[in-house]
Amino acid sequence: GAGVSQSPRYKVTKRGQDVALRCDPISGHVSLYWYRQALGQGPEFLTYFNYEAQQDKSGLPNDRFSAERPEGSISTLTIQRTEQRDSAMYRCASSLSPRLAEITGELFFGEGSRLTVL
Amino acid sequence: KQEVTQIPAALSVPEGENLVLNCSFTDSAIYNLQWFRQDPGKGLTSLLLIQSSQREQTSGRLNASLDKSSGRSTLYIAASQPGDSATYLCAVEETSYDKVIFGPGTSLSVIP
Repeated sequence: GAGVSQSPRYKVTKRGQDVALRCDPISGHVSLYWYRQALGQGPEFLTYFNYEAQQDKSGLPNDRFSAERPEGSISTLTIQRTEQRDSAMYRCASSLSPRLAEITGELFFGEGSRLTVL
Repeated sequence: KQEVTQIPAALSVPEGENLVLNCSFTDSAIYNLQWFRQDPGKGLTSLLLIQSSQREQTSGRLNASLDKSSGRSTLYIAASQPGDSATYLCAVEETSYDKVIFGPGTSLSVIP
């Protein structure tokens, strides 16, 4: 696609429900990142993939959070048994290279998915 | 653990002024440093990427410098315009874990 696409753009859910957030990266991009951003703060790293392999999930807050990218393209971030503290903007980014430094590449962000847990 | 900080947290300047935004990082083992712009309610847009072997990058009125040994980068904006009003974030890609870590951002307001 022309850019990184995230869906849904807005999600309101009740506490205890599961939610799935989707990211469709730029076509051909190898690396895919998930971030969470609270209002007035920089993005907080959650996890990232090179192709279909999850390289680092150290930023996932707890075991209610999981992510997958089964075919090395679209990724899904799943939050089980949501809590109010999970409310935030969830951002996905992709880059061309497994390691940005190998190519003068950039990290391209989607518009984000705003999650509100009531 | 890599920590990225940005000073000031907020800045308000009159139109036409030159200004400098600062970014500091605690671990100099980085591949690159990137500056982003974020408009309210929008995603992040990459402005400049500096490889660890480089000292600076320029794009139009923007100039970013990198001093890896001291863990600092600056973003210089010349002849600021109201359209420059946004939050500016820096991010470093670590060599140890390949993660890209962001600072908290500087909120810039350019007054007409």
